[in-house]
Amino acid sequence: GEDVEQSLFLSVREGDSSVINCTYTDSSSTYLYWYKQEPGAGLQLLTYIFSNMDMKQDQRLTVLLNKKDKHLSLRIADTQTGDSAIYFCAETPTDSWGKLQFGAGTQVVVTP
Amino acid sequence: DTGVSQNPRHKITKRGQNVTFRCDPISEHNRLYWYRQTLGQGPEFLTYFQNEAQLEKSRLLSDRFSAERPKGSFSTLEIQRTEQGDSAMYLCASRPPPGTENTGELFFGEGSRLTVL
Repeated sequence: GEDVEQSLFLSVREGDSSVINCTYTDSSSTYLYWYKQEPGAGLQLLTYIFSNMDMKQDQRLTVLLNKKDKHLSLRIADTQTGDSAIYFCAETPTDSWGKLQFGAGTQVVVTP
Repeated sequence: DTGVSQNPRHKITKRGQNVTFRCDPISEHNRLYWYRQTLGQGPEFLTYFQNEAQLEKSRLLSDRFSAERPKGSFSTLEIQRTEQGDSAMYLCASRPPPGTENTGELFFGEGSRLTVL
């Protein structure tokens, strides 16, 4: 199974905030990422955070990083129907040639 | 279109047949990755190229799988004697050379979906 763990499903009402959680394993990961995948499509980078940061905000997206607990979260403010997708958390393990280790993904369903 | 391009987008084949997928990375990216994604799972790393050199292969890459990047540009992933368990989305991603990027981001193609009957 994955070393990066995520909850599998989240249902949220349009206009509410979504929070997607992730735990990762490698405390030496330099960057941590959130990717979005829509049905039948590839992965699109949403945002990333450098490991020496605690928080990063990018428009409707807020990333929180707790290095002590190896916990990463993504908050989407004012969730829209277009935000319905699968969201993947990913880390960059050390000595990994830059490859990413992904979680299984959290399916977010936005209801009107 | 300057993104990562993969083809074919969909391939349906019978068990035992060989299939080949092609990936054209972003032109200035010298690092190229293949991932496999099965239903309900995140992408799993298969192999990595820096220029034409294949520097890492996952243990997921059985002897039936071979990847090449002969000129350091496009790459091919061939699966011989396909099995039903090979049914998955095969994703290609690329990255610029070290020192030219600052996020570690992988740029993904839209994938090639394989269905083995």
